[in-house]
Amino acid sequence: SYVLTQPPSVSVAPGQTARIACGGNNLGGKNVHWYQQRPGQAPVLVVHDGGDRPSGIPERFSGSTSGDTTTLIITRVEAGDEADYYCQVWDRSTGHPNWVFGGGTKLTVL
Amino acid sequence: QVQLVESGGGVVQTGRSLRLSCAASGFTFSSYAMHWVRQVPGRGLEWVAVTSYDGNDQYYADSVKGRFTISRDNSKNTLFLQLDSLRGDDTAVYFCARDLGAVAGIPGYFQHWGQGTLVAVSS
Repeated sequence: SYVLTQPPSVSVAPGQTARIACGGNNLGGKNVHWYQQRPGQAPVLVVHDGGDRPSGIPERFSGSTSGDTTTLIITRVEAGDEADYYCQVWDRSTGHPNWVFGGGTKLTVL
Repeated sequence: QVQLVESGGGVVQTGRSLRLSCAASGFTFSSYAMHWVRQVPGRGLEWVAVTSYDGNDQYYADSVKGRFTISRDNSKNTLFLQLDSLRGDDTAVYFCARDLGAVAGIPGYFQHWGQGTLVAVSS
């Protein structure tokens, strides 16, 4: 089955830029989506299709892709951005549709 | 606004069954594919199942295929997940989530999520 790899944790000071990577085989050929999950809450879609934001998501959230790695970029990080972040793709390599998540990255705001 | 409210979770013994519900409001329920996603407490997200807008197509994760059944009642704006032959590793918070579109088996993502309902399987 398809595997997405994320670092377990990323730390950043307030006001700085956080970069959370997500890697997978031939990931550049897939649409990658990102979710934010604050403690005790449901996930929230923050970026879809690599770099598009749903309405209501600040412009500070963006995405970029290079080769087999896609990165969620959060500029001017705030305390409220502290959360777990998950990347997700759709895959059919097993013969049936599958929605695959990365293992998640805990963003700590120092 | 879109609202998804799960219910039906609880403590159940290994091998028994449970039925989860997800009540939807704030959008045309019958126009969207719907998913179940689960999360073991303290762990990551795992997709479980999807049903198309009309309930005619369903797909399942290998880990639940043959044991779980997803269904929907568009007249009642409600999504269901029947959990049979429960095992300890099914213990998780179960979220319902709305897809981008109507069809079940094509690329997409989870636009909106409910708050989840906890299923605890005990021996």
